[in-house]
Amino acid sequence: AQKITQTQPGMFVQEKEAVTLDCTYDTSDPSYGLFWYKQPSSGEMIFLIYQGSYDQQNATEGRYSLNFQKARKSANLVISASQLGDSAMYFCAMREGAGANSKLTFGKGITLSVRP
Amino acid sequence: NAGVTQTPKFQVLKTGQSMTLQCAQDMNHEYMSWYRQDPGMGLRLIHYSVGAGITDQGEVPNGYNVSRSTTEDFPLRLLSAAPSQTSVYFCATGWYTGELFFGEGSRLTVL
Repeated sequence: AQKITQTQPGMFVQEKEAVTLDCTYDTSDPSYGLFWYKQPSSGEMIFLIYQGSYDQQNATEGRYSLNFQKARKSANLVISASQLGDSAMYFCAMREGAGANSKLTFGKGITLSVRP
Repeated sequence: NAGVTQTPKFQVLKTGQSMTLQCAQDMNHEYMSWYRQDPGMGLRLIHYSVGAGITDQGEVPNGYNVSRSTTEDFPLRLLSAAPSQTSVYFCATGWYTGELFFGEGSRLTVL
């Protein structure tokens, strides 16, 4: 079974509107972390936001927020007030366990296109 | 403040040739890793290291070797390149529980 599932093939959003990118995960480990990364066309990987499995509140970083629904095992990224520069590939990732042997597993990514 | 530096950025190899992708970090992190990115596959972990002298396999280790003699450097070696190793390779570093910081990537083509 896939540990991280991103099923939306591609998303389009109008500039200045909000958009939600879906991510579901699968783990039996009680301690884990969820991450979102952005990859623009230039290719670099940019860290956006982090949510720990024990965090009580949803993480927020500027225009990014993570809608964490633990019982449903979902960690959707919400981008408010989309900008043209948000057009990119977005990856959800999960780190299971703690300590030196924890590993980061990535989903297959979602392409977001922001229309002017 | 370089962060994570990967070289080369582009490389073309013939089947059977060997090469080393270099990765250096100046962030003083113990954890370093190599990922490959293929279309529709996301990023897959090849090898990782939790400190000098310690390495371990990730999800797709076959055909790749690594070593970690210093905290700063984590080279990835292809001993006999195959077309299936055509990919974009990313080196990343970070703390065990935090986010990873990535290099700019190395695009490898094996003919």
